[in-house]
Amino acid sequence: EPEVTQTPSHQVTQMGQEVILRCVPISNHLYFYWYRQILGQKVEFLVSFYNNEISEKSEIFDDQFSVERPDGSNFTLKIRSTKLEDSAMYFCATTGRGTSRETQYFGPGTRLLVL
Amino acid sequence: AQKITQTQPGMFVQEKEAVTLDCTYDTSDPSYGLFWYKQPSSGEMIFLIYQGSYDQQNATEGRYSLNFQKARKSANLVISASQLGDSAMYFCAMREDQTGANNLFFGTGTRLTVIP
Repeated sequence: EPEVTQTPSHQVTQMGQEVILRCVPISNHLYFYWYRQILGQKVEFLVSFYNNEISEKSEIFDDQFSVERPDGSNFTLKIRSTKLEDSAMYFCATTGRGTSRETQYFGPGTRLLVL
Repeated sequence: AQKITQTQPGMFVQEKEAVTLDCTYDTSDPSYGLFWYKQPSSGEMIFLIYQGSYDQQNATEGRYSLNFQKARKSANLVISASQLGDSAMYFCAMREDQTGANNLFFGTGTRLTVIP
């Protein structure tokens, strides 16, 4: 069964450093999402991406964040200058079409720890 | 206002018994989808079941069923014949069609513990 993959599974970084989180979506999916989950809290939407551009973003997704699909397969989330409060689990999710009927399939997540 | 409300931070159930996890939602969009995800201690998000706002029947997937009461805006998850492996966090989520936002809104989750 096709699945979403994410790398790395864990990342530890120093405050102020840049991190890039990578996701490989399910191959025929067109809509991509990043979510984050701070430890013990609910999952929060960051950004959605379709047709090589951002379609929606939340207030969390400020200028320190960026997304791109550099090579037609990977979908990346970059945090330019990490802060302590960026420590969280980051999930990539993908779906075939952007309707409410479509299930979003989540990757296993990247656990980011900012020291 | 919260779009998804899960009022049970924790639930316990005896193995082999059924359990209901509550979820209420708030939307003015007539077209929306409701989802339940399971998050075991390893952290991944596992899709369980989906209910569309226009679906006439309650959704079922194996031991999971969704008690959809549209007028009450509730979408409770029922797990029948609980197993030890069902111990996890369970999140209710919603997507809306017509507002233009196609992301999921999640509740705060319910931690289910299955007792042997």
